[in-house]
Amino acid sequence: GAVVSQHPSRVICKSGTSVKIECRSLDFQATTMFWYRQFPKQSLMLMATSNEGSKATYEQGVEKDKFLINHASLTLSTLTVTSAHPEDSSFYICSARVRDNTEAFFGQGTRLTVV
Amino acid sequence: AQSVAQPEDQVNVAEGNPLTVKCTYSVSGNPYLFWYVQYPNRGLQFLLKYITGDNLVKGSYGFEAEFNKSQTSFHLKKPSALVSDSALYFCAVSGTTSGTYKYIFGTGTRLKVLA
Repeated sequence: GAVVSQHPSRVICKSGTSVKIECRSLDFQATTMFWYRQFPKQSLMLMATSNEGSKATYEQGVEKDKFLINHASLTLSTLTVTSAHPEDSSFYICSARVRDNTEAFFGQGTRLTVV
Repeated sequence: AQSVAQPEDQVNVAEGNPLTVKCTYSVSGNPYLFWYVQYPNRGLQFLLKYITGDNLVKGSYGFEAEFNKSQTSFHLKKPSALVSDSALYFCAVSGTTSGTYKYIFGTGTRLKVLA
């Protein structure tokens, strides 16, 4: 299957700093990328949907100024957690797909810990 | 609005026995349905999908799923469970809401295969 690379896999940052997470589709061009947040023993919560070259569509309750999403190319999307706080600690997962009726491929996830 | 329900938090099955993980969905229009598996601290791995065509879909690792339009279900099945199948399974639906194709997940079902 297609490969989505997410980096870093783990990051620890101090409260008040910003953290950038990268999501790359390595062998296909992703018209759409999704960002999810997963709490322990819970499902994936969709945070936002981004299409290449346009602004991300955020889910209700997700602060767009706090979780900045950039989808500058067909192979790269970034999520920046700005002014991170301990409550932002979570497992963040990205996914990418080619078309609306195809499966999405997932990155390996990023464990963010804010101290 | 589209939604996915996985009614069982956990399913226990003895090794060698058949397994079923349940999923029901709600979506306007034709549904695109998917199953994924997640191992601890990892991203999701694609198992199979239903887009159109035969109601019985075969996927990776011997898994299959049956699309039932009248019952709006897409249950995951395997004839003979392996201990290595123990993991967290997610059903997902892709459909359009306000013109944006979202990828929504169920709450997940933890499968435990007992030796």
